[in-house]
Amino acid sequence: GAVVSQHPSRVICKSGTSVKIECRSLDFQATTMFWYRQFPKQSLMLMATSNEGSKATYEQGVEKDKFLINHASLTLSTLTVTSAHPEDSSFYICSARVEGQNTEAFFGQGTRLTVV
Amino acid sequence: GIQVEQSPPDLILQEGANSTLRCNFSDSVNNLQWFHQNPWGQLINLFYIPSGTKQNGRLSATTVATERYSLLYISSSQTTDSGVYFCAVRPRDSSYKLIFGSGTRLLVRP
Repeated sequence: GAVVSQHPSRVICKSGTSVKIECRSLDFQATTMFWYRQFPKQSLMLMATSNEGSKATYEQGVEKDKFLINHASLTLSTLTVTSAHPEDSSFYICSARVEGQNTEAFFGQGTRLTVV
Repeated sequence: GIQVEQSPPDLILQEGANSTLRCNFSDSVNNLQWFHQNPWGQLINLFYIPSGTKQNGRLSATTVATERYSLLYISSSQTTDSGVYFCAVRPRDSSYKLIFGSGTRLLVRP
């Protein structure tokens, strides 16, 4: 299957700082990538759709100024958590799919963010 | 929006036992996928199964799209099968985004 690589896998940052998470499609191009958030013992919640060359589409209730998404190339999307606070601590995971009709999605390894 | 429900929420098995996990969804879908989330958080693709039946080793899955449900069968369970199993659907009106169910947490005891 297609490979999606996410970096870093784990990050600890201080309150008030910003953290950037990268999501790369290694062996295919993806005009669309997706960012999810998962709290402990809960399901994955879609945060936003990252669109190459255009603005991201955010789900209801997700602050776009807090979670900045940039999709500057066909293989890279970044999520920046700005002015992080302890309540932003969570597991963030991205996904991408091979372009075409009805293809399956593949997920990165996830990033565990801890804000202290 | 579409609702995705999984059952049971928790399941404990003795090694070697069989199990069936269920995923119900409230509206028509274009895609359905089953994932296994391991203890490190990685989502492992199990099946891409918008309809029909597929098998991969000890695992098999069946989706009946017209009745809006999918089943994941695990036979001869092993301790390494432990983790959380998610189904995720792509609604017909979506732009390829997946909506996840609440998951089934499986523990297989030796």
